[in-house]
Amino acid sequence: ELKVEQNPLFLSMQEGKNYTIYCNYSTTSDRLYWYRQDPGKSLESLFVLLSNGAVKQEGRLMASLDTKARLSTLHITAAVHDLSATYFCAVDMTETSYDKVIFGPGTSLSVIP
Amino acid sequence: GAVVSQHPSRVICKSGTSVKIECRSLDFQATTMFWYRQFPKQSLMLMATSNEGSKATYEQGVEKDKFLINHASLTLSTLTVTSAHPEDSSFYICSARDPMAGVWETQYFGPGTRLLVL
Repeated sequence: ELKVEQNPLFLSMQEGKNYTIYCNYSTTSDRLYWYRQDPGKSLESLFVLLSNGAVKQEGRLMASLDTKARLSTLHITAAVHDLSATYFCAVDMTETSYDKVIFGPGTSLSVIP
Repeated sequence: GAVVSQHPSRVICKSGTSVKIECRSLDFQATTMFWYRQFPKQSLMLMATSNEGSKATYEQGVEKDKFLINHASLTLSTLTVTSAHPEDSSFYICSARDPMAGVWETQYFGPGTRLLVL
């Protein structure tokens, strides 16, 4: 059974600081995703990571993937208040004839001015 | 990017009634759609995978007879919560893959439907 874990689950940080959110998963996978969710809203896709060593950056967010360690990181650089949200990693799991995506528990990020 | 819509966005119903939620892919054809449920301050739990033209695949612990899924066309999947009870109150989110997106395909999420059963 595929399990996806995130660390930390709650994060409060000051504006301007850097921090990393970690995502571990328990079985091999073809794809890893990062999503953002604002309160009361649906999910916004941030990154799709396909291969070992993949690194993607968008603004103050950078995601990386180590498939051998089954680890992905989401690094936040010089945080700003607008980044406050819940961040989910999710992993593709291919079973027989169909794919499904399993989500981690989420990291609730609060950026304090 | 691709757009997925859901209707209704919010519904309040009495206990014992049935509620239908629609999920549409607006600018692509989706052979596979996914239905998730999210309780407050929790993660998304996959309920079922909806396959066009065939039966849905339900996750362990999800009652097939309670959560009826129909994927009648390449752009529409419906989730019907039958005989709803207060414990079914939740945020229901659908998603769809765009098969033409190739290896970079991601799931596109609908805006969600907030169900409250009184």
